[in-house]
Amino acid sequence: GAVVSQHPSRVICKSGTSVKIECRSLDFQATTMFWYRQFPKQSLMLMATSNEGSKATYEQGVEKDKFLINHASLTLSTLTVTSAHPEDSSFYICSATRGGPTDTQYFGPGTRLTVL
Amino acid sequence: QQPVQSPQAVILREGEDAVINCSSSKALYSVHWYRQKHGEAPVFLMILLKGGEQKGHEKISASFNEKKQQSSLYLTASQLSYSGTYFCGTRDNYGQNFVFGPGTRLSVLP
Repeated sequence: GAVVSQHPSRVICKSGTSVKIECRSLDFQATTMFWYRQFPKQSLMLMATSNEGSKATYEQGVEKDKFLINHASLTLSTLTVTSAHPEDSSFYICSATRGGPTDTQYFGPGTRLTVL
Repeated sequence: QQPVQSPQAVILREGEDAVINCSSSKALYSVHWYRQKHGEAPVFLMILLKGGEQKGHEKISASFNEKKQQSSLYLTASQLSYSGTYFCGTRDNYGQNFVFGPGTRLSVLP
């Protein structure tokens, strides 16, 4: 058990458009979900933590209006990159826990975003 | 401020042990450890909370020394599957910053 999926796995979009990435917990209810990004050959960066039914908590330096996170149900969280630009090209990864933020995290496979 | 990880890279033979260290200049609330293989998403290993604790996960364990603001990850009797880049992530005491270290590349050879 504890499978997390992401859709799409890869996306290419034009500069100025918005892109939505879905993160689903397939066989458990995810009280807490996390969103990360990773640039090529670099370390990870935690973007935000979301709890079902409440507003996401963003890390310092992450633009809330640019990276919209919605955790509308216990199995689905979405990340929308609004007005994407080439510098937003990155590997976006979600993870989910059954309980709170200090529980074991189960990661999705990631979504590779390329903005042209 | 990003925590410091040491060593940057280590090569082991199967069955050998390794220690990866993570040090911060800030007082820490928690330390998280992850392993990532090339081209894949990370895998969560464990989280250690303020109060100083040790945790074990199969042959992988970790300690958190709150006073020294550092954590160590212990890999015993390493297996080929342990190869990858290990990242620590730290949350400071004010809860405002979660930052990852630069990673330690571990290669386990047969």
